[in-house]
Amino acid sequence: DADVTQTPRNRITKTGKRIMLECSQTKGHDRMYWYRQDPGLGLRLIYYSFDVKDINKGEISDGYSVSRQAQAKFSLSLESAIPNQTALYFCATSDGSGKGVGETQYFGPGTRLLVL
Amino acid sequence: RKEVEQDPGPFNVPEGATVAFNCTYSNSASQSFFWYRQDCRKEPKLLMSVYSSGNEDGRFTAQLNRASQYISLLIRDSKLSDSATYLCAVRDYKLSFGAGTTVTVRA
Repeated sequence: DADVTQTPRNRITKTGKRIMLECSQTKGHDRMYWYRQDPGLGLRLIYYSFDVKDINKGEISDGYSVSRQAQAKFSLSLESAIPNQTALYFCATSDGSGKGVGETQYFGPGTRLLVL
Repeated sequence: RKEVEQDPGPFNVPEGATVAFNCTYSNSASQSFFWYRQDCRKEPKLLMSVYSSGNEDGRFTAQLNRASQYISLLIRDSKLSDSATYLCAVRDYKLSFGAGTTVTVRA
């Protein structure tokens, strides 16, 4: 089984709808992240959480919210979806050890979201 | 200016060739550097960390030039399976990714 899972894997929704993307991990990591990827723009950080009680905005948090329900679960919500939120969304985890050169991030398989 | 910039390519090379490309970063306080590999819109996976002294992992060599603020990746003896997009990542308080360099290895 995959260490980091995301549901759904694909989603088509309409403008104005509320949707939730879910991420679960079995790696036992404290840190979790949500990114979106758009062609030519790379991965951009939406939100990140260093533990259950710690939530931080990333560089593009407007229009998104998150919930860290447990160490293993981190959900991303689009309260009112708009077409420019069409993207590939990745969840990632890291162990926060910061050893040596820093910590490796492990990514889920991604969710393809299309907002019509 | 973007925090992390990469030449998008594509770099089209024959099997067995050597290919190299760079990634520049804007924050001189960046502490950690990585190369990730991404296949066809799948999840990125860590290829290698980049150490100050440079490091090698099989056919892959990564270098860091702090003075000029770039990291590089060199792939020797390219294989068809090396075809992918290579993302550089630079860490200060967060991990910032470049948009990726696409490499296509042809038979």
